Amino acid sequence: KAGVTQTPRYLIKTRGQQVTLSCSPISGHRSVSWYQQTPGQGLQFLFEYFSETQRNKGNFPGRFSGRQFSNSRSEMNVSTLELGDSALYLCASSLEVTGRGGYTFGSGTRLTVV
Amino acid sequence: GEDVEQSLFLSVREGDSSVINCTYTDSSSTYLYWYKQEPGAGLQLLTYIFSNMDMKQDQRLTVLLNKKDKHLSLRIADTQTGDSAIYFCAELTGTASKLTFGTGTRLQVTL
Repeated sequence: KAGVTQTPRYLIKTRGQQVTLSCSPISGHRSVSWYQQTPGQGLQFLFEYFSETQRNKGNFPGRFSGRQFSNSRSEMNVSTLELGDSALYLCASSLEVTGRGGYTFGSGTRLTVV
Repeated sequence: GEDVEQSLFLSVREGDSSVINCTYTDSSSTYLYWYKQEPGAGLQLLTYIFSNMDMKQDQRLTVLLNKKDKHLSLRIADTQTGDSAIYFCAELTGTASKLTFGTGTRLQVTL
């Protein structure tokens, strides 16, 4: 079965612009989480959605937002981009909300802000 | 606060065993995971252990959990060059549906 699909794989944006990243979870998975990975801060939790509801949010400014659709696909949006938003953005899906079975990650979207 | 610590680097010879260590701080963690990341790739789930277990073995991988010391380890038997990557441990805390990751250990396998 198909894994977690993230699009696009690479993105270059200018400071001040906004960006939307997409994530399609494994079929049947209803929990989708987003993480930011940078060399300085490592892997940090952004938010988690289950059945179109945001259940948990990390410590990021309001410029970072997301949503989940009825088919479990998720998008995250970053507005007014800053240089420090350059990172690898990873999406993960899970079958169960308890975490049993683990979280399967996509290959990520590498965002470069110039 | 939440802090998951790992040593930064480990070098082993091909064929030897590798042991990657992790110390976590949240005693309410339910599941603990090991992920592998190769250059330019996402995270690959290697194995995981439920907090009421002490050990889990999966082919070449052995996970040991010491809840008293909040210590998790991953042993890779017969390490191969293809095992060269960064390894992250992560904890899933209580009802919070988020993973807290360690800093990652870069495993280098030499011939």
